[in-house]
Amino acid sequence: NAGVMQNPRHLVRRRGQEARLRCSPMKGHSHVYWYRQLPEEGLKFMVYLQKENIIDESGMPKERFSAEFPKEGPSILRIQQVVRGDSAAYFCASSLRRDNEQFFGPGTRLTVL
Amino acid sequence: DQQVKQNSPSLSVQEGRISILNCDYTNSMFDYFLWYKKYPAEGPTFLISISSIKDKNEDGRFTVFLNKSAKHLSLHIVPSQPGDSAVYFCAARVYSGGGADGLTFGKGTHLIIQP
Repeated sequence: NAGVMQNPRHLVRRRGQEARLRCSPMKGHSHVYWYRQLPEEGLKFMVYLQKENIIDESGMPKERFSAEFPKEGPSILRIQQVVRGDSAAYFCASSLRRDNEQFFGPGTRLTVL
Repeated sequence: DQQVKQNSPSLSVQEGRISILNCDYTNSMFDYFLWYKKYPAEGPTFLISISSIKDKNEDGRFTVFLNKSAKHLSLHIVPSQPGDSAVYFCAARVYSGGGADGLTFGKGTHLIIQP
């Protein structure tokens, strides 16, 4: 009964490095969502993807951030040239259909030194 | 611009009593509302949801009430149990016709159940 899986759970990067966060949705789910949670804040929507397509990226910063969900393999959230302000918990969620409930993974905690 | 507001950062309730968590929203386009529960170092866990065409939805100890005219919803937990101690997030969604995309979350309320 595998839920949404995310790895790594913790990631430490120095300023200027790249961060790659992975998300494997629940079995049978083809809709993936990425959220970011800053300290003392709620989760903020970043991007919504279906297999091989970005459907809604209205919450993604315009620079340095990208996401993909290939036909095979996990969804990847990529942050280039990380800065201290990127330090946050990044959560992935998946759903069976577009208007179904979203189930969340345990998150990746990114720390930028 | 906080479209979903949870004005109580924390709430303390005695075990066995009713816990009432409140949430207000400003976007009249929201048509679906959800409550999630979150423990430290874990992802949010879906609890219960309600469509804007209803005013109440019940699931075991959890009941969500929606007052559209006041743009207010609440989550009732009765009776409260120690395992209910967690952060509770209210979330809302705009149905865009072809489906819904990202959820808009409040900042959360930390519920503490005291023995």
